[in-house]
Amino acid sequence: QVQLQESGPGLVKPSQTLSLTCTVSGDSISSSRYYWSWIRQPPGKGLEWIGRVYTRGTTNYNPSLESRVTLSADTSKNQISLNLISVTAADTAVYYCARTTVIAGPHFDFWGQGILVTVSS
Amino acid sequence: SYELTQPPSASVSPGQTASITCSGHKLGDKSVSWYQQKSGQSPVQVIYRDYKRPSGIPERFSGSNSGDTATLTITETQPMDEADYYCQAWDSTYAVFGGGTKLTVL
Repeated sequence: QVQLQESGPGLVKPSQTLSLTCTVSGDSISSSRYYWSWIRQPPGKGLEWIGRVYTRGTTNYNPSLESRVTLSADTSKNQISLNLISVTAADTAVYYCARTTVIAGPHFDFWGQGILVTVSS
Repeated sequence: SYELTQPPSASVSPGQTASITCSGHKLGDKSVSWYQQKSGQSPVQVIYRDYKRPSGIPERFSGSNSGDTATLTITETQPMDEADYYCQAWDSTYAVFGGGTKLTVL
């Protein structure tokens, strides 16, 4: 059974960079069958897709965040990472990583437990 | 940008059928997934590719998608089905979620 575990600081100051890591167990992030996505949820609000990374070369981002976000993958550690620059209070959210199928009709079949990141001075 | 619209709330009596809609331009041409999120928990996939159920999801969950509307249907609704439900589709290479529907079972 695949498991995803998000980690990183729970508090980030405004204008700084939010950096999170998702450690995957039970599957290889190098698999040709899956992308690996980040999704966030502000407190009391809905889900927002941030982007996805495919270790074989493709990365896609939400157009609304594309100028500030970078996703990367470390196959040696079986981890994916998220960097979001110039954060504001609007970036306060629970951040999830999720396995994303590649084949037609991609969907998020496994999710991490999420990590709450608060942007505050 | 592509948008998916869901009603903010819905209610159903135990044992009855709940239907949650998701609307978007030519949504029937896209593949829709549905996610259930109970309070304080991570989302769980309940339907993918319009109508397919992942293993472990009860048969009372079903989905359809045609025209501009996708529908999640829960038959014989149980109190444990009370949750927020989100539809999701792809606009080219980026994912879009609906705003979510809070389903109350009372």
